[in-house]
Amino acid sequence: KQEVTQIPAALSVPEGENLVLNCSFTDSAIYNLQWFRQDPGKGLTSLLLIQSSQREQTSGRLNASLDKSSGRSTLYIAASQPGDSATYLCAVTGFQKLVFGTGTRLLVSP
Amino acid sequence: SQTIHQWPATLVQPVGSPLSLECTVEGTSNPNLYWYRQAAGRGLQLLFYSVGIGQISSEVPQNLSASRPQDRQFILSSKKLLLSDSGFYLCAWSRTPLSNEKLFFGSGTQLSVL
Repeated sequence: KQEVTQIPAALSVPEGENLVLNCSFTDSAIYNLQWFRQDPGKGLTSLLLIQSSQREQTSGRLNASLDKSSGRSTLYIAASQPGDSATYLCAVTGFQKLVFGTGTRLLVSP
Repeated sequence: SQTIHQWPATLVQPVGSPLSLECTVEGTSNPNLYWYRQAAGRGLQLLFYSVGIGQISSEVPQNLSASRPQDRQFILSSKKLLLSDSGFYLCAWSRTPLSNEKLFFGSGTQLSVL
């Protein structure tokens, strides 16, 4: 059974810092890995999708990497802003479904 | 463009009452559809998914059920709600096959069972 873990559970940083969120999964037989953002009381917004054959994806200040063999992914956020404050979730795709981690709650203070 | 609608946004129901949450997708055909639940302080739990009309896969045994009466409509139901059914319910869709596609979420329904 696939299990997805995210560390840390919560993170508080001052504005402008670069930061890394971690995601690990137990079964490397995945199709892809996705990173999502969730604002309080809202649905999830897909940020990046990395196919299993890829090593990384970039979108603006976000960069996600994937090491499938070791079961790890990182989300790098450059020059963090208060608007980045949210919960970030990773999810791995198996057959017809995604398994989510419990998320990292990020607070970026001005 | 594709959009997903989920309603109601909030719902307060007494224990033992029925439940019906509806989700519709526009701008695409034959999507995969999903119901997730997010309990306070916990991750997203997949409840049901559907790859076509009338095709429902259940991930967690419980007193909830799902139906897909039309291609782009997904309904989550219960005959009698339990306190433990409280949570944030999210509908989502993806193109097929999921192995190559992103997952898109609705805005969620906050259900409180009292």
